Amino acid sequence: RKEVEQDPGPFNVPEGATVAFNCTYSNSASQSFFWYRQDCRKEPKLLMSVYSSGNEDGRFTAQLNRASQYISLLIRDSKLSDSATYLCAVNKGGSYIPTFGRGTSLIVHP
Amino acid sequence: DVKVTQSSRYLVKRTGEKVFLECVQDMDHENMFWYRQDPGLGLRLIYFSYDVKMKEKGDIPEGYSVSREKKERFSLILESASTNQTSMYLCASSSPSGPIPLYEQYFGPGTRLTVT
Repeated sequence: RKEVEQDPGPFNVPEGATVAFNCTYSNSASQSFFWYRQDCRKEPKLLMSVYSSGNEDGRFTAQLNRASQYISLLIRDSKLSDSATYLCAVNKGGSYIPTFGRGTSLIVHP
Repeated sequence: DVKVTQSSRYLVKRTGEKVFLECVQDMDHENMFWYRQDPGLGLRLIYFSYDVKMKEKGDIPEGYSVSREKKERFSLILESASTNQTSMYLCASSSPSGPIPLYEQYFGPGTRLTVT
């Protein structure tokens, strides 16, 4: 089993839809979790860190499920500009080295 | 805002050439990283550094070396470029933040290297 797994997609959704991605991790010692957004031919940019209690930033909500070892990203009211690849990253406890998933592609169409 | 810059956006080199990729960050981050990203393979860690003159191998160090003489600068060297090193190269930096602590990564714009 890969350390960090994501469904590559693409997820094809209409504008205004709600879409959710999951990212599973295999190491139960993982402590820090992140979502990054990567536009085509650009660098990944931090979207949000994922806290144990879950966190929300506008239309984006991140959740952590330690029991089932996955994190999720929910995007409400999708915009065309949300089209991108979403990478999850997981750090083992005490480590500053992330393991990245291969990303989930989102395409929002009119 | 954290700024990570890379010396070139696009580079074309010939097989066997020595290639230098430079990365500079302006936020006094301790940790710096070099990745390559290829379609279908995701981000793969080549080397990382947690301090000046310190370096550690990542998952795919073969054919690469690194140098960190100053805290803000981390260089990736391809000793003898080969066609299978054609890729997007991304530099990143991080530093602990918050009580947990978190090590959020900040990436440079990338260098698209083509080896012919």
